[in-house]
Amino acid sequence: DAGVTQSPTHLIKTRGQQVTLRCSPKSGHDTVSWYQQALGQGPQFIFQYYEEEERQRGNFPDRFSGHQFPNYSSELNVNALLLGDSALYLCASSPTGGSYGYTFGSGTRLTVV
Amino acid sequence: DQQVKQNSPSLSVQEGRISILNCDYTNSMFDYFLWYKKYPAEGPTFLISISSIKDKNEDGRFTVFLNKSAKHLSLHIVPSQPGDSAVYFCAASAGNQFYFGTGTSLTVIP
Repeated sequence: DAGVTQSPTHLIKTRGQQVTLRCSPKSGHDTVSWYQQALGQGPQFIFQYYEEEERQRGNFPDRFSGHQFPNYSSELNVNALLLGDSALYLCASSPTGGSYGYTFGSGTRLTVV
Repeated sequence: DQQVKQNSPSLSVQEGRISILNCDYTNSMFDYFLWYKKYPAEGPTFLISISSIKDKNEDGRFTVFLNKSAKHLSLHIVPSQPGDSAVYFCAASAGNQFYFGTGTSLTVIP
């Protein structure tokens, strides 16, 4: 049974560019959450998607946007990249209800140069 | 504002001894708490959880204690093994999102 799958694993982008990260949830999970983990910090909540809608959002600017597809997979888009956006981006999926059964993927390491 | 704090960035313990990792939180609305373990280049792996209606949860070598009045959470690992060396994050939830601490790097010395 595949867990949460994220792609790509590593990515290098130039300041000002746009990036799309992808996440496939664990089988049986329909809720996807995205987190940003900067070096030396704990993961910070970006937003959560359920039923193809953004259900809750953390303290991140509008440059961060997302999407959830009918098969529950999700994308995270970041526009106008800044050097400070360099981080590990983690996707977590969970069954309906949000908090219980959280399962994380291995993350996408984004480097902005 | 950091709602979940892990004040010890690192901890070293001899193999076979007890490891105690601590976590403090400020939001009294948190009702579900978890500990995650993270190895380099991997995502966090769920370790153990506890609901606010309990004060202790045990799973093998791992026990989590919750002191609601002190808003304090601790993870006990007994006995500690070299494979337990990793970064441990505590996380708390009051709904759909988790708030994480900054992590404690545990090193178990053989």
